Amino acid sequence: DAKTTQPTSMDCAEGRAANLPCNHSTISGNEYVYWYRQIHSQGPQYIIHGLKNNETNEMASLIITEDRKSSTLILPHATLRDTAVYYCIVRVAGGSSNTGKLIFGQGTTLQVKP
Amino acid sequence: NAGVTQTPKFRVLKTGQSMTLLCAQDMNHEYMYWYRQDPGMGLRLIHYSVGEGTTAKGEVPDGYNVSRLKKQNFLLGLESAAPSQTSVYFCASRGTATYEQYFGPGTRLTVT
Repeated sequence: DAKTTQPTSMDCAEGRAANLPCNHSTISGNEYVYWYRQIHSQGPQYIIHGLKNNETNEMASLIITEDRKSSTLILPHATLRDTAVYYCIVRVAGGSSNTGKLIFGQGTTLQVKP
Repeated sequence: NAGVTQTPKFRVLKTGQSMTLLCAQDMNHEYMYWYRQDPGMGLRLIHYSVGEGTTAKGEVPDGYNVSRLKKQNFLLGLESAAPSQTSVYFCASRGTATYEQYFGPGTRLTVT
């Protein structure tokens, strides 16, 4: 699975959009980009994933660059409850290695401030 | 529908003692995983299972054993606990149709 690089920490004002970047320059054509978050002391929570098209769900939007070497997770209206560590994970989907294993880096600590 | 539950939530062991952590899921998921998380670190995969009766090693399997006798349960065992195994342990599961993993609330283990 490709390696990802994320900033260690970011701040965001409550009500504003939070844009969390992730670099994955060695991503392969069959690898997806996943985002999870971990609110203090809780188990990680799935947010969104994508292959090459931009994706949106009720929690967030995922923007993947055309060359797929980087992506941005967007929380459109951040609230205090969005304060968490956000993990960007790249992994293969399908095929014989269909184990679904996730490799977590250290993620980005997002602090939403009032 | 409780999702993924873990028992116990907290435990303190002395070096050399043994214990079993239980993970249960009620979503009929095929895949189950055990991770550990040390302070300030991301999660690391210990063992996983791709179905009832199967287990496989992850990144950091040494000192742990697992069993998946029933589809809904995944047990993590420590035969002889060591202080290096002090950590928070998370269990997760997922179905075959998606790669979204559902995590339990964690078990905080301290080995003195």
